[in-house]
Amino acid sequence: DAGITQSPRHKVTETGTPVTLRCHQTENHRYMYWYRQDPGHGLRLIHYSYGVKDTDKGEVSDGYSVSRSKTEDFLLTLESATSSQTSVYFCAISEGLAGSYNEQFFGPGTRLTVL
Amino acid sequence: EDQVTQSPEALRLQEGESSSLNCSYTVSGLRGLFWYRQDPGKGPEFLFTLYSAGEEKEKERLKATLTKKESFLHITAPKPEDSATYLCAVTLYGNNRLAFGKGNQVVVIP
Repeated sequence: DAGITQSPRHKVTETGTPVTLRCHQTENHRYMYWYRQDPGHGLRLIHYSYGVKDTDKGEVSDGYSVSRSKTEDFLLTLESATSSQTSVYFCAISEGLAGSYNEQFFGPGTRLTVL
Repeated sequence: EDQVTQSPEALRLQEGESSSLNCSYTVSGLRGLFWYRQDPGKGPEFLFTLYSAGEEKEKERLKATLTKKESFLHITAPKPEDSATYLCAVTLYGNNRLAFGKGNQVVVIP
C-alpha cells in the first residue's frame, strides 16, 4: 500500500459522537486525500491537503473537517457522526496534484459504522 | 450528472475467455485517465495512467487504451486471480480532483 497506513481499520460508534481517522504515510508525498466509498457511488473526495496546514474541500465535505500538522499525517474528523457517514474511508497520497499527471496511491481503508 | 461511466457493471468470465471493460467520460479538457484494481476489503491499486488519445499501456494480461471519448481495459486470457473490481478515474485541466466511475466487477471462473 505504498507506505500508507490508516487507523483504526474498523470502528463502530454511535450517532452524535466525535470520530477521528488517521492516515500516516512514509513516502514524504506532498499531497494527501480523504475519500469515502459507498455502494452505488464511485470514490468521492471529502477533503485534500497540498501541504502542512494547507487543506481544501472536496465534493462531499459537509460534516467533515481535516487537519495536517505534519507532512506524514492527515486526520479526518467527524465532529458529530451521523448514520449517513457510515462508509469505507480511504486515504490517498500523490507526489503532485491530481491534475498534474501524478497518480494517487491508496491506503487499506477504514470501515466506519455509525449506529 | 456522471462524468465517468463504466460498463458493464458486472462481468463473469470463464478462465481464458478474453473480454474488455469500458470507461466513457463526458468531460472536455481531459488531462489524464487512470485505471485501478480493487480487491474486496482493500484499497485501490494503481494500474495505468493514459494521457492522450491513441495511447496504450500493458501489464501482464491487461492492456489499457484511450480514445477521445473512452478507454478500454482489455483482459486477455484471464485467470481467477484477475477477479476484482476495476476502477476508472479522470482528471481535468484546471481541476485538482479525480472523478471516479462506479467500477467494473469482474469474476473469472476456473
